[in-house]
Amino acid sequence: QQQVKQSPQSLIVQKGGISIINCAYENTAFDYFPWYQQFPGKGPALLIAIRPDVSEKKEGRFTISFNKSAKQFSLHIMDSQPGDSATYFCAASTASGSRLTFGEGTQLTVNP
Amino acid sequence: AAGVIQSPRHLIKEKRETATLKCYPIPRHDTVYWYQQGPGQDPQFLISFYEKMQSDKGSIPDRFSAQQFSDYHSELNMSSLELGDSALYFCASSLRSKGRGSFEAFFGQGTRLTVV
Repeated sequence: QQQVKQSPQSLIVQKGGISIINCAYENTAFDYFPWYQQFPGKGPALLIAIRPDVSEKKEGRFTISFNKSAKQFSLHIMDSQPGDSATYFCAASTASGSRLTFGEGTQLTVNP
Repeated sequence: AAGVIQSPRHLIKEKRETATLKCYPIPRHDTVYWYQQGPGQDPQFLISFYEKMQSDKGSIPDRFSAQQFSDYHSELNMSSLELGDSALYFCASSLRSKGRGSFEAFFGQGTRLTVV
């Protein structure tokens, strides 16, 4: 059973558009929610992360929105670029040093 | 900045053989994690070590074992390899004792294991 559910599975966006990826979780003990970007054959790279004490975090073109009551969080990529084309994983963990539980991944394609 | 180093990057083994994967965490990081990622799948947690002691165990087959050494590098030992073990194996590290920032886990480039 997937503890973190991610959608959509794939996403195609035009250059300059906004890419939105959504995740939902069940375990209320989760208190750390990172997003990772992964290119083919490479390791996941940490993009941005949020703790439940804030509802939004922005870093450059990347924004996480967090809804604790709905147990949902999302990644917004503004002004999407072809170089953003990759697989994006949301994840969650319960405490410092604990394992990450990943969503299924979203394959993002940004067309020029 | 130094990253997580994994070796080898690629490994081809035959069924029933043994493989050893190595991981060198970011300097001063005290926690190491191993993940397995099948084609088109999300990474699945295998095992982790904090200060050289096993701290958590996930869906790691009994045929696999791991340890963390005094210099903090870690090795994943895989025996009696099966075709289904073919996957990308990632090591990640974090600094658990740092405080709020210690949630951040940084991944290596992975080892692609192919079992034939």
